[in-house]
Amino acid sequence: DVKVTQSSRYLVKRTGEKVFLECVQDMDHENMFWYRQDPGLGLRLIYFSYDVKMKEKGDIPEGYSVSREKKERFSLILESASTNQTSMYLCASSFGGATNEKLFFGSGTQLSVL
Amino acid sequence: QQQVKQSPQSLIVQKGGISIINCAYENTAFDYFPWYQQFPGKGPALLIAIRPDVSEKKEGRFTISFNKSAKQFSLHIMDSQPGDSATYFCAARRGGSEKLVFGKGTKLTVNP
Repeated sequence: DVKVTQSSRYLVKRTGEKVFLECVQDMDHENMFWYRQDPGLGLRLIYFSYDVKMKEKGDIPEGYSVSREKKERFSLILESASTNQTSMYLCASSFGGATNEKLFFGSGTQLSVL
Repeated sequence: QQQVKQSPQSLIVQKGGISIINCAYENTAFDYFPWYQQFPGKGPALLIAIRPDVSEKKEGRFTISFNKSAKQFSLHIMDSQPGDSATYFCAARRGGSEKLVFGKGTKLTVNP
């Protein structure tokens, strides 16, 4: 069964801390994504990676960076966490290509920044 | 700017009824329109998807209706069940892009 695993279900951090959110997929997918989910705002794309060491900004990249050193792992980094980054973070992956659009999501990390 | 507009924000339906969720888009370059279903505590999962070369796609109790000229598509859930209670997201993808743009979601509650 396909799996996208996010390292933490809940995370509490202090303002100004550097935060790492980790995501691992076991499906040999080319593409990996980080979305942010907020009530009433839906899912918004933060960053996207289509290959190892390759990344592309999404709709709301400000305050975030990403790292993809290995194909199966995609990390989201909050360089200096702020309270407005309190949110549910969802990682997803896909094979890529016109006929492989299905996204597989992890269960999410609920981040609270105090 | 919101590329995919979804309505309603919440919906309450009685068991056995029909649930209808609507989405509208502006970008005519979109060529793939999926619906995702999300249960509490879980990530979204693909439910059903359609391409603009067909006007309807049905999978069990779930049907997507697509109106290319109006740039609208909708999800119909027939014989709605309490187990269908979840948040539903419509989405769209531009041809040649790997990125999905999501609507804001509809929280569906099906009362027994």
